[in-house]
Amino acid sequence: GDSVTQMEGPVTLSEEAFLTINCTYTATGYPSLFWYVQYPGEGLQLLLKATKADDKGSNKGFEATYRKETTSFHLEKGSVQVSDSAVYFCALSPPGTASKLTFGTGTRLQVTL
Amino acid sequence: GAVVSQHPSWVICKSGTSVKIECRSLDFQATTMFWYRQFPKQSLMLMATSNEGSKATYEQGVEKDKFLINHASLTLSTLTVTSAHPEDSSFYICSARDAGGLAGREQYFGPGTRLTVT
Repeated sequence: GDSVTQMEGPVTLSEEAFLTINCTYTATGYPSLFWYVQYPGEGLQLLLKATKADDKGSNKGFEATYRKETTSFHLEKGSVQVSDSAVYFCALSPPGTASKLTFGTGTRLQVTL
Repeated sequence: GAVVSQHPSWVICKSGTSVKIECRSLDFQATTMFWYRQFPKQSLMLMATSNEGSKATYEQGVEKDKFLINHASLTLSTLTVTSAHPEDSSFYICSARDAGGLAGREQYFGPGTRLTVT
């Protein structure tokens, strides 16, 4: 079955540091790939997505590129801020639909001054 | 943006009792709502998918008689944990998909409900 593996946290960075959170997946065909963010006390919010190979999703300075050859969708940001502190979830769904999301375990990011 | 609320945000109940969790889409209509369960340091696991006016579709291994789901309107779905036991203690999260547009629309998530069974 489908699965998502992401790096364990917590990840602690100083403000303005470069962020990478690794995500790899196992799925048949060409799933859609997502990054969700959960701020303390809030629900998951869609951060970015990509629906086909080589697509780059981007939002709020975060980027992730759909790499079919390495089955990866790593999340990056060039300069993190304290306000980026949250839990980040990588997820996938079958092609063409937002149903049946399969999530990774989440990675907690803590950004300090 | 689309907002989904859950009530209560946390609940403690005694073993053997039932507890109901509500999921509401506040500013949009949701034909489909999803219920997830999250264990500490683990990913969200889809429990069931509910469509307004029809029976929920449960994932393999989820007891439909224990986790009763009702989706009676386009803005409300409920999850009732019946005869709760300590192993049912978990974080329950719902999401809702906008009724408008194509089937590939985004899911909007609620903040979750923490259930503790003593």
